[in-house]
Amino acid sequence: QVQLQESGPGLVKPSQTLSLTCTVSGGSISSGSYYWSWIRHPAGKRLEWIGRVFTSGTPRYNPSLKSRVAISVDTSRNLFSLKLNSMTAADTAVYYCARGVPTIRGNTFDIWGQGTMVTVSS
Amino acid sequence: DIVMTQSPDSLAVSLGERATINCKSSQSVLYNSDSKNYLAWYQQKPGQPPKLLIYWASTRESGVPDRFSGSGSETDFTLTISSLQAEDVAIYYCQQYYSTLYTFGQGTKLEMK
Repeated sequence: QVQLQESGPGLVKPSQTLSLTCTVSGGSISSGSYYWSWIRHPAGKRLEWIGRVFTSGTPRYNPSLKSRVAISVDTSRNLFSLKLNSMTAADTAVYYCARGVPTIRGNTFDIWGQGTMVTVSS
Repeated sequence: DIVMTQSPDSLAVSLGERATINCKSSQSVLYNSDSKNYLAWYQQKPGQPPKLLIYWASTRESGVPDRFSGSGSETDFTLTISSLQAEDVAIYYCQQYYSTLYTFGQGTKLEMK
């Protein structure tokens, strides 16, 4: 049973860079044809897809965040990571990592981490 | 972006009664090449992440009770719970995956009456 677990700081200062890691357990991040995504949920707002990475190829990002975000994968450590720079209060949210099941077009998200609350405040 | 709009925002249903949640997309999510609607439904309970319930608009994920069903095509979709159980109290979201800029509905909060 594959499980995902986010880790990282719960508090980030404005203008700093958020770094989160999602550790995959119960299976290899390289097995299958899955995409690995980050999704966030600000309080009172919609779930927002941040971006995805495959074990090979170029990551894909939400255009609204593209200039500030980087997602990478480390197959040797079975994890993938999110970096979001120039953080502001608007980035305060619960951040989830999720596994994407590919189709001809996009993907659904069949496995999610528990989520980690990130607050941007000085 | 494809905008997903759910209705109602909240819903109170009695135990054993039917619950119906609607989702409308700003453009069709039906891919003519495979005749599939790229629409999924998720359930989120307090303190938990979203859980995939239905994909292809009407296919239940493994382990999802058959009281959950999805229907609809192109731009209009419905999630139906045929007989509400206490454990179904949650927020429900639709998501389109027709575009790889994945977008979600604003959520419908389902409560027990």
